Amino acid sequence: NAGVTQTPKFQVLKTGQSMTLQCAQDMNHNSMYWYRQDPGMGLRLIYYSASEGTTDKGEVPNGYNVSRLNKREFSLRLESAAPSQTSVYFCASSEPGQAPEGYTFGSGTRLTVV
Amino acid sequence: AQSVTQPDIHITVSEGASLELRCNYSYGATPYLFWYVQSPGQGLQLLLKYFSGDTLVQGIKGFEAEFKRSQSSFNLRKPSVHWSDAAEYFCASGGFKTIFGAGTRLFVKA
Repeated sequence: NAGVTQTPKFQVLKTGQSMTLQCAQDMNHNSMYWYRQDPGMGLRLIYYSASEGTTDKGEVPNGYNVSRLNKREFSLRLESAAPSQTSVYFCASSEPGQAPEGYTFGSGTRLTVV
Repeated sequence: AQSVTQPDIHITVSEGASLELRCNYSYGATPYLFWYVQSPGQGLQLLLKYFSGDTLVQGIKGFEAEFKRSQSSFNLRKPSVHWSDAAEYFCASGGFKTIFGAGTRLFVKA
């Protein structure tokens, strides 16, 4: 099925541990995004990649890094996890332009940092 | 800077009743506007979008939304709510680096 695939779906980390969240899309979209979702705050943009080979910071980039591995894949890395990074993380992709179609989202990664 | 406001944190409606979820945006030019729905434990799914033309747009699952420039609003409506519509709804602005509202959780009572 066409769409955005995120792994893992759930993860528990200890403070200070590192991990990488994986995201892949098969819709040939140029743009990919990482958002975090916290209660009452909607979705906030962490990092984005407008096209293959480019990445840029969003609203809440501190504590994260990203890699746009190729057109399909966009990973998010937590180098030293903190309890404040407990959240649900969503990857999305889109094809922006004159008539944007909106985002296609993955099903999310629920991360708990203890 | 763009912003999206959803004034209602949660709304409860009876099954079969009509629904209106409010959304206000701030943007200089005509914005790209979207409504998404999120069922528990799931990602967000696009319901409908607006960026030009007819100000009343139709979406999936029987939803529609009306763009009102004079009120900077893009409210989501459904004439008759079903129990399966219980979910969280997000209004969003911008086709690139989309800004999301905080969401409105819809409860449906029998």
